[in-house]
Amino acid sequence: NAGVTQTPKFQVLKTGQSMTLQCAQDMNHNSMYWYRQDPGMGLRLIYYSASEGTTDKGEVPNGYNVSRLNKREFSLRLESAAPSQTSVYFCASSEGQRGDVYEQYFGPGTRLTVT
Amino acid sequence: GQSLEQPSEVTAVEGAIVQINCTYQTSGFYGLSWYQQHDGGAPTFLSYNALDGLEEKGRFSSFLSRSKGYSYLLLKELQMKDSASYLCAALRNVQLIWGAGTKLIIKP
Repeated sequence: NAGVTQTPKFQVLKTGQSMTLQCAQDMNHNSMYWYRQDPGMGLRLIYYSASEGTTDKGEVPNGYNVSRLNKREFSLRLESAAPSQTSVYFCASSEGQRGDVYEQYFGPGTRLTVT
Repeated sequence: GQSLEQPSEVTAVEGAIVQINCTYQTSGFYGLSWYQQHDGGAPTFLSYNALDGLEEKGRFSSFLSRSKGYSYLLLKELQMKDSASYLCAALRNVQLIWGAGTKLIIKP
C-alpha cells in the first residue's frame, strides 16, 4: 500500500497564478484533510472532508477551495496565489469515525513557494 | 480559547530519558495525540490518550491530566534516530488542534 500520496512535491508559482494540489489515499479511509505548516507554527487545518461528498472549512480556508472527487481523492486549489500562501502543504486521512480522527496518516507534503 | 503550548526545543543525551511537555487551554476536547516529525518529513502518529493516566508503548510513554490541562511524552533510552520534532494535538469534535512542536536535539 502506498498510503497517502501527494503531487507535486515542489512548486514555485508567481503571484496570481493558480494550481491544484492532488492527494490520494489507498487505505479506504472516510476522512481526509488539508493542512499547511509554517515555521514556528503548528499544523493549521485548511479544509477537511469527513466523508465522501462532504467538505468543511477549517481554521484557515480563505484563498483555497477543495474537491472530494471520490473516496480516494481530495484536491486543494489555489485560485490566485499570494506570497502569504508560501508554505508546506500536507494532506492526511483517517478512518473517520470520531474516535479514529486522532490517528491521521500524512502524505509527504508539497513545498510551495509563491513569488 | 483553543491553544496548545510546547517548549520550542529540548536537548538530551543519547541513552538518557527526556520528557516533552504540552499544556492546553482548549475546552471540549476528547483526548490528546502525539506525533513525531523528522526534518523535511511528514508527521507520524505515536500515541493517543483518551483518559487521564499513563499509556506506555515500548520506549515511548504519554501522560494526560485533564484537570491540570497537561500532557507529556516520555522517551526512554534515547537514540540518535529520535532526533525530530514532537507535536501534540488535541482532539476536538472531528478536528485535531495542534501545538507548534518541540524540536528534540540529542547529543552523543
